[in-house]
Amino acid sequence: DAGVTQSPTHLIKTRGQQVTLRCSPKSGHDTVSWYQQALGQGPQFIFQYYEEEERQRGNFPDRFSGHQFPNYSSELNVNALLLGDSALYLCASTRGGGWGNTEAFFGQGTRLTVV
Amino acid sequence: AQSVTQPDIHITVSEGASLELRCNYSYGATPYLFWYVQSPGQGLQLLLKYFSGDTLVQGIKGFEAEFKRSQSSFNLRKPSVHWSDAAEYFCAVGAGRDDKIIFGKGTRLHILP
Repeated sequence: DAGVTQSPTHLIKTRGQQVTLRCSPKSGHDTVSWYQQALGQGPQFIFQYYEEEERQRGNFPDRFSGHQFPNYSSELNVNALLLGDSALYLCASTRGGGWGNTEAFFGQGTRLTVV
Repeated sequence: AQSVTQPDIHITVSEGASLELRCNYSYGATPYLFWYVQSPGQGLQLLLKYFSGDTLVQGIKGFEAEFKRSQSSFNLRKPSVHWSDAAEYFCAVGAGRDDKIIFGKGTRLHILP
């Protein structure tokens, strides 16, 4: 049973560039949430996708956008990168649009470094 | 809106000693409560969760947690820690099916040999 997979595992970008991160949910899951985890901090909720639509959004600027595909996989896009965007980006999957009342399965994360 | 506080940033215990990690939450109704563990360079793994019922919940790896509504707490315990328990531990709270999970800032656990 494949768990949540994220790609790439690491990447380095220059300030001002754009980046796309990818996530495939656990088999049988159809809901994907993205979190940003800065060094020494807990994960911060970015947004959630279910049925190919953004259902909820945390306190992140419009530079952060996403997409969910018919196969339930998801992308996180960040435009005009800032140094402060350097973080571990975590993808979590759940089933049936549920979130706050169910176990979420997390991927290993993508470590983004902005220089 | 819900919030989570983990008052201890770092905790150091000797191998074989007991452990308690503190978590306090803020939410008006009965919350959904979680403890996750994160090893270096890894994603998060669920240790245990509380949704309703028995306030003492058992999890994986010998961990347990107790929900105390009167104290708004959900502390994580283990009677005897192992060196492999060294990791970062996150308490999280959910407000319901359609709401996001909010994480605390984490407690880093160090184990002395």
